[in-house]
Amino acid sequence: DAEITQSPRHKITETGRQVTLACHQTWNHNNMFWYRQDLGHGLRLIHYSYGVQDTNKGEVSDGYSVSRSNTEDLPLTLESAASSQTSVYFCASSPGGSGNTIYFGEGSWLTVV
Amino acid sequence: QKEVEQNSGPLSVPEGAIASLNCTYSDRGSQSFFWYRQYSGKSPELIMFIYSNGDKEDGRFTAQLNKASQYVSLLIRDSQPSDSATYLCAPGQLTFGSGTQLTVLP
Repeated sequence: DAEITQSPRHKITETGRQVTLACHQTWNHNNMFWYRQDLGHGLRLIHYSYGVQDTNKGEVSDGYSVSRSNTEDLPLTLESAASSQTSVYFCASSPGGSGNTIYFGEGSWLTVV
Repeated sequence: QKEVEQNSGPLSVPEGAIASLNCTYSDRGSQSFFWYRQYSGKSPELIMFIYSNGDKEDGRFTAQLNKASQYVSLLIRDSQPSDSATYLCAPGQLTFGSGTQLTVLP
């Protein structure tokens, strides 16, 4: 079955370290997204991509970067982890077009100490 | 003003009652609207989507859309304890409401 997977599922890292969260989907979806979810804020968009070599900043992109070198993967990098980036991170994908359902990965719990 | 606002909750209803979840949005250009359900510790999953003004029914769930009022709602009939979750409204793919936590009491 096609799916979307995130790794690692849980990670503890130290302030200032670079961290990469992986996201891989096998649906061949053009659109991929990274969100973070914090209590009281719901889901907030970090970065998104509408295809290979396309990346766009979301509402809370500061301190994060992404690259899209193929259809299947959209890794999220925290350049220098900060305690404010402790959160749950969800990767998601959808077929092309802005009116399609989003399918979420299982989430990555990141703690920055 | 937030782009997407939901009744903050938490909302509690007895088993068998109707749960009403509301959402307003600011982008008049929004064309597609989604309701996602999220159980604690899990990822969101699609419940309903609606594109046209009016009602759309799917089993116990009814989504209502009024583009003129920039309002979308979700009604859950015959609420069950298994419906206890946080419900997220999303006009499109890029913005989500902060969610309404629903508890259905046995």
